[in-house]
Amino acid sequence: AQSVTQLGSHVSVSEGALVLLRCNYSSSVPPYLFWYVQYPNQGLQLLLKYTTGATLVKGINGFEAEFKKSETSFHLTKPSAHMSDAAEYFCAVSVRSGTYKYIFGTGTRLKVLA
Amino acid sequence: GAGVSQSPSNKVTEKGKDVELRCDPISGHTALYWYRQSLGQGLEFLIYFQGNSAPDKSGLPSDRFSAERTGGSVSTLTIQRTQQEDSAVYLCASSLGGGQGSTEAFFGQGTRLTVV
Repeated sequence: AQSVTQLGSHVSVSEGALVLLRCNYSSSVPPYLFWYVQYPNQGLQLLLKYTTGATLVKGINGFEAEFKKSETSFHLTKPSAHMSDAAEYFCAVSVRSGTYKYIFGTGTRLKVLA
Repeated sequence: GAGVSQSPSNKVTEKGKDVELRCDPISGHTALYWYRQSLGQGLEFLIYFQGNSAPDKSGLPSDRFSAERTGGSVSTLTIQRTQQEDSAVYLCASSLGGGQGSTEAFFGQGTRLTVV
């Protein structure tokens, strides 16, 4: 069965610093991987996704993630944090066979310090 | 509509009452999902509808929870005899489905349920 682990429920970075949010997955088949962001009192919005092809995926708001099969990881990064990046971030996995429900991690709340 | 629409946005109910939460997915999306988000928790899968197939109910926490999807479009999540532990944000999402697991899910704004 597939699962997602997000290391660190809370991450704080200074404005302008590198953002690194960690996600590891478990899947018996090649996965589809997603990062979503949730701003306060809002629904989830897709940041980026990995399906096939290039392992470095670029998303909205300057975020990117790299699929590393050998490490079963899909970490989210942004070179320079902005105050507006403060939100909760969720990693999710879907698989190509069986059901297509999305399995989400427990989320990482990002705080950006001035 | 342009996105996934959920109603009501907020619901306060007394313990023991029944509640119905509504989700109107994006037109043309055959897959519809319900998730529950409790304070400090991630997204807990509840139920999944795909076209005319039998729904995947494996995430429903008890028999007090049920959901239906009429005409392959609007869905209603019903919680009977609500308990305080049912207090959470209930999120609905839809996707193109049809075996396309690579497509993303689009989420509504959620219904915040408070059981007092």
